[in-house]
Amino acid sequence: QVQLVQSGAEVKKPGSSMKVSCKASGGTFSSYAFSWVRQAPGQGLEWVGGIIPIFGAATYAQKFQGRVTITADKSTSTVYMELSSLRSEDTAVYYCARLGHGPPRYYFDYWGQGTLATVSS
Amino acid sequence: QSALTQPASVSGSPGQSITISCTGTSSDVGGYKYVSWYQQHPGKAPKLLIYDVSNRPSGVSNRFSGSKSGNTASLTISGLQAEDEADYYCSSYTSTYTLGAVFGGGTKLTVL
Repeated sequence: QVQLVQSGAEVKKPGSSMKVSCKASGGTFSSYAFSWVRQAPGQGLEWVGGIIPIFGAATYAQKFQGRVTITADKSTSTVYMELSSLRSEDTAVYYCARLGHGPPRYYFDYWGQGTLATVSS
Repeated sequence: QSALTQPASVSGSPGQSITISCTGTSSDVGGYKYVSWYQQHPGKAPKLLIYDVSNRPSGVSNRFSGSKSGNTASLTISGLQAEDEADYYCSSYTSTYTLGAVFGGGTKLTVL
């Protein structure tokens, strides 16, 4: 049974950075792709970026280019998302999600429990 | 503003059927057979209901079905049950994103 377990809630100051983790279990980690999707309070879902651990290269939504870095550690089956230059609009629940088989890889078949990130002075 | 357009809310009585629409463009919904739908209960993570327009993952009730015509995809829920009350999001492949998708703004389903 696939499980994605994310790190705990974050409270950050504007201008700072945060790094959220997502540990996968129950599947073949390297052969899948993973993405981060965020949801601002009372709002819809928004794709942030993704990575295929076996290749290591990440791709990002243009909106977050230059501020987000997604990495993967194959030895621990963990995916990370680091977001810098935080502003209040980054306050959201951040979800880690596994991408279903492709091509193309576009739908998310397993989701983490979500990590609430609050950015406030 | 979301890339895909969904009605903000729909409602139905137990046992009835409802349909949620999702309108995009020829660059996403209309251009590919790659639309997915998610159900999200309050405070929970989204759950995959439909992928590739009309395929259901193992374990998802056959009361949920998907279709597409032109630039508009639809999710139909038949035999409405109280536990179907939730937010529903459509999503589509777009060549703009690798390892991602565009989402609709979400539809709140109320079971009367």
